[in-house]
This record gives sequence, C-alpha cells and structure tokens, in this order.
Amino acid sequence: KAGVTQTPRYLIKTRGQQVTLSCSPISGHRSVSWYQQTPGQGLQFLFEYFSETQRNKGNFPGRFSGRQFSNSRSEMNVSTLELGDSALYLCASSLVVDWTDTQYFGPGTRLTVL
Amino acid sequence: GENVEQHPSTLSVQEGDSAVIKCTYSDSASNYFPWYKQELGKRPQLIIDIRSNVGEKKDQRIAVTLNKTAKHFSLHITETQPEDSAVYFCAASTGFQKLVFGTGTRLLVSP
Repeated sequence: KAGVTQTPRYLIKTRGQQVTLSCSPISGHRSVSWYQQTPGQGLQFLFEYFSETQRNKGNFPGRFSGRQFSNSRSEMNVSTLELGDSALYLCASSLVVDWTDTQYFGPGTRLTVL
Repeated sequence: GENVEQHPSTLSVQEGDSAVIKCTYSDSASNYFPWYKQELGKRPQLIIDIRSNVGEKKDQRIAVTLNKTAKHFSLHITETQPEDSAVYFCAASTGFQKLVFGTGTRLLVSP
C-alpha cells in the first residue's frame, strides 16, 4: 500500500497570506490527524478528522482550520499567516479499528512565512 | 490537559551499548503510548507502542516498559548501531488519535 502523502512538500508565503495543505491517507484509513512541528515547541496536535467530522482539536487559534472529504483526504488551512507559523506540518492517518490505532505519518509540508 | 516529559534531551552511546529514554505523563486516563523515530529530514516512524493493559513489550532490540502507577514509560534499545542515531519521541494518548508528544531525545551512536 502507498503511504501517507502530503502536498505540496515546500511552501513559501508572506505574512497575511493564507495557505492550504493537503493530505492523502493510506487507502482504507478513515482518520487523519494534523500536527505542527517546530524546533521550539516540538510536535503539537492541531486537530483530527474522522468520517468528515472534527473529533478533536488542539490549542491553536481559529486561523487554523481543516476539513475532510468523503474519500478521507484532508486539507488544512491557515489564514492570515504569521512568522511564527513557519513549521513542518505533518499529517498522520490511522485505520480506526479502536480509538488507539497506530498513526502513520506523511513526509510533511515545510511552510516558511516571510 | 495531558503533559509528557521526556529525558534525556540528548544521549550519546558507543556502538553495542544500551540506550534508555524515559517519559512521564500527567493524565492517568492515557492508555496508549507509542514511540517514534525521526531521522533528519524524514517523517516520524513508529518503532514500538504499548497499551495500558500491558506492562512490557519487546521487538528484537527494542523494548518498552510501562508503569501506570508511577505514570512513566521507557524505551530500551540494546546493542545499539550507528543507524539507530536519530531523534526519538515518546507520546501519550487518551483516545481519538490525539497524541501528546514529549520533547524528543537525540540519540547519537558512535562507531
């Protein structure tokens, strides 16, 4: 099976712009979680989607939003970009046989905000 | 909310030695504890996980132990090899695929 894929792999934006990141889960996986990774804050949970519904959300401002489509693909949007949003954004998919299923990560999207 | 502390932040060992990384968690409702390895520029990859109904799990040179009473869990790597060099993250979850990660341990294995 193909692994989790993310597009684009790299993005450069300027402050105030918005950005949309995409994640395609492993075939058959129905849950997609998003994480932000920075040198200072480490890996932080953004939100999780299952069957097109957000089930869990981390402590990020409302500028960070997401959605999931019927084919389980997910997008994450960040509006009004700030310098501090520069990070590696990782998505992870899981099968959801039970609620502690293994999460498999994509390669990430490296976002740079200038 | 859940908080996960991880120690040490860096660990240098000689090839063939053992390495131990320790994590503590705060939420007693946490019941799933994975460990991820992240090489430079690559995605985190699961190396082993343990659920709260199990005290220990082993997979070849890697083992994880869990002490629910003390709320801590540890990763043990035996017979370390240079290719084990990476950043290792522990995590804890109370469910719904929300992982709370530790701050990471940079492991360097010298030949």
